[in-house]
Amino acid sequence: DAGVIQSPRHEVTEMGQEVTLRCKPISGHNSLFWYRQTMMRGLELLIYFNNNVPIDDSGMPEDRFSAKMPNASFSTLKIQPSEPRDSAVYFCASSLGASDEQYFGPGTRLTVT
Amino acid sequence: AQSVTQLDSQVPVFEEAPVELRCNYSSSVSVYLFWYVQYPNQGLQLLLKYLSGSTLVKGINGFEAEFNKSQTSFHLRKPSVHISDTAEYFCAVRGPNTGGFKTIFGAGTRLFVKA
Repeated sequence: DAGVIQSPRHEVTEMGQEVTLRCKPISGHNSLFWYRQTMMRGLELLIYFNNNVPIDDSGMPEDRFSAKMPNASFSTLKIQPSEPRDSAVYFCASSLGASDEQYFGPGTRLTVT
Repeated sequence: AQSVTQLDSQVPVFEEAPVELRCNYSSSVSVYLFWYVQYPNQGLQLLLKYLSGSTLVKGINGFEAEFNKSQTSFHLRKPSVHISDTAEYFCAVRGPNTGGFKTIFGAGTRLFVKA
């Protein structure tokens, strides 16, 4: 298996633009997680899905952030409009079940200027 | 609700010395415990996990951790570190939460191995 796939790996955009991050989980995994990592705040869980259904989105910073999982093999995290404080590395992870470890993608480094 | 505390933000150590990275958690229910490692510019990778059974868990790269229920700790140890172990280490707890399971990560401990 190729592991969790994220695209793009790097994204540089201007403030106010829409940004869409993409994730393909490991085939057969039923849970998907979006995290944000910054030096100041560490690793933060933004949202997680179970069987394509959002279970907990309490970590989503504000309405500018939205996430979807239209099917078991694809998820998106959208920021509209983007702001410089959104600059971070965004990780997607998936897991097979409740007791299983999470498999992380390589991350998307977002820079908003 | 669960929480995780990693007691040291940075741990410098000389090569071939032993190391212990400390982790304490709080939870009112049974949980699963994990240690992950993150090398520069990479995602997190699993080092080891505790689900049940033996309290001493062995992981990859010579690391091990011991689950201590009475002290609610899950410290990570390695008897002899290498330069290549320089990375950030995250302790995590996963347990039942409203609507499903949620993993809580600690703030991370940066291990710096010196020659």
